[in-house]
This record gives sequence, C-alpha cells and structure tokens, in this order.
Amino acid sequence: AQSVTQLGSHVSVSEGALVLLRCNYSSSVPPYLFWYVQYPNQGLQLLLKYTSAATLVKGINGFEAEFKKSETSFHLTKPSAHMSDAAEYFCAVSGKSGGGADGLTFGKGTHLIIQP
Amino acid sequence: GAVVSQHPSWVICKSGTSVKIECRSLDFQATTMFWYRQFPKQSLMLMATSNEGSKATYEQGVEKDKFLINHASLTLSTLTVTSAHPEDSSFYICSARDVQRRGNEQFFGPGTRLTVL
Repeated sequence: AQSVTQLGSHVSVSEGALVLLRCNYSSSVPPYLFWYVQYPNQGLQLLLKYTSAATLVKGINGFEAEFKKSETSFHLTKPSAHMSDAAEYFCAVSGKSGGGADGLTFGKGTHLIIQP
Repeated sequence: GAVVSQHPSWVICKSGTSVKIECRSLDFQATTMFWYRQFPKQSLMLMATSNEGSKATYEQGVEKDKFLINHASLTLSTLTVTSAHPEDSSFYICSARDVQRRGNEQFFGPGTRLTVL
C-alpha cells in the first residue's frame, strides 16, 4: 500500500524567499512520485515527477524536487517565491503496481501563501 | 494539448435523485480514466479506475452500485451518483492517461462540485 504525508497544511513565505514544501511517502513497490499544483477552481497541473531516473527532478515554473530513498522523502523547492506561486500543492505516489500506471495516492495538500 | 474537461462544473440536486458527471479527453484518446473525490480541506481519494470497454475497478470502500462508471468510448467516461444523499456532496475530479504520447502521466479535469440537498 502507498501513503503520502505532507507536513504543514499551510506554508507562508515572503516573495523572493525560498519555498520548501515537505513530502514523505511510503510504498511497497518502487515509487513514482509527483507534485501537482491546484489553483482555485482549476484542475490539477503537474509540476514534476520522479520515475526512477535522476533523483533531482526539475519541473515547471522553477520548481524542483529531490528523491531521497533513505529518508523516503520528495520535498519540493523553489529558490525564489513569486506571488503567482500562491496555490494548493499536492504530493502523490503511484498506485499498487507502481510505474505510474495506477490511480494516485495523494497527500492532504499544502496551501502556499506568499507574503508581499 | 492533453486537455480534460468535466461537465457540469457544479450541480445541486435533491436527495434521492441521480446525477451524471461527464469526463472527456478533448485532444487525445484515453484508454484509462480515474475518478477521485475531494472533501473540503482534504486530499483527493481515488474512487475507481475506468478502462474503455470494460468494467471499472473500484477502490475498497467505494460502493459500485452507488457510483456507476461507464467508459464507453476512448474520450468519454461518466460517473453517475445514484440515489444521492447529502453525504455524497463533494468535489469529484477525473483524470485521463494519454498512453500513446505521454506514457503514464495523468491529466486532470477541473472537477465537478456536487451538492445534495
């Protein structure tokens, strides 16, 4: 079975500051890991994904995440926050058979607030 | 490309009635679609996996007779909430896989907010 824990339901940073959103996972199979962003009244948009290749994954909008197997973590970072980054962020792990072919298991989400 | 739409975007219905929600892949063929529900301030929970031309696979605890899923074509899956009750009020989100062009990546629809009175 898979599970995802996102630490912090709300994270507030100043514009221009480092963004760090935490995600820890558990998986009985080699995981595929994802970060999605959800803006109000919109669908989920994929930021980046880890698929067992490079452990440091670069995504859209300047975000990146590092897969650390020893820590079972996949934290999302961005060096400099922008006002447009304010949104809900979800970490997810692939389903039962791994490989990303199954439905996803999501964390509870982290609401990112950007202070001017 | 890879756009997924849902209709309606919101619906209000009376308790005991049935509601159908459509999920369409607009510019690709989706052999597999997924249905999730999201309660306020909570995560998305996978309800079922819908494969074109075959029966849906439901997650544990999801009543298949209450949440009817039909995936009759490569671009359309429908979720029908039968005999809806207030506890079924939620945000329902579908996703679709574009296996031919984008491997296992899922593309999400904008969601349908269901309110049962």
